[in-house]
Amino acid sequence: QVQLVQSGGEVKKPGASVRVSCKASGYTFTNYDISWVRQAPGQGLEWLGSISAHNANTKYAQRYQGRVTMTTDTSTATAYLELRRLRSDDTAVYYCARDYTTTWPGIFDYWGQGTLVTVSS
Amino acid sequence: DIQMTQSPSSLSASVGDRVTFTCRASQSITIYVNWYQQKPGKAPNLLIYGATGLQSGVPSRFSGSGSGTDFSLTISSLQPEDFATYYCQQSYSTPYTFGQGTKLEIK
Repeated sequence: QVQLVQSGGEVKKPGASVRVSCKASGYTFTNYDISWVRQAPGQGLEWLGSISAHNANTKYAQRYQGRVTMTTDTSTATAYLELRRLRSDDTAVYYCARDYTTTWPGIFDYWGQGTLVTVSS
Repeated sequence: DIQMTQSPSSLSASVGDRVTFTCRASQSITIYVNWYQQKPGKAPNLLIYGATGLQSGVPSRFSGSGSGTDFSLTISSLQPEDFATYYCQQSYSTPYTFGQGTKLEIK
């Protein structure tokens, strides 16, 4: 069965960077894109961007351009999210999600369990 | 960016009720809307894609409709496990955006 398993929670100071991993199993990793979505405490869902596991092409939400990097390691079927220059309002649960199909992107059919990133001095 | 506006923000209903959630896009997104259910402390779960497509494994009491700017999600007969928060999301263009959610509570 399809599974996305994310790394554990992180506590970071303002200005630091964080890297969250998302290990995929149960499907051919390179056939799908991976998106990253975050949810601040008690708030709604926000898409940060996506990466093709086939060719590593990325699309980032404009507001995160320059602060975010998404990568993949096809040898381990793992996607990574790095967010730099962290601020307190980056405190959120970060989810990876698989795109339903590369021909109709933006539909998220499987999700990781979420990783809580806390930014606090 | 395309804004997605959901109404109401919360809704109280009873088991067995028929409920409808609405979502409006700030511009036409044809049928590129998806609906998710989220329970506390859990990741969202895809219910409906492409406005009307029922995701595999989702009960048939869930249905979606609409096109253009106005969309709805209907639960035909509420079950106890349906009490959750529901989000619409557009996949018409990046950045993909979500509505603010509708919390469905037990009356």
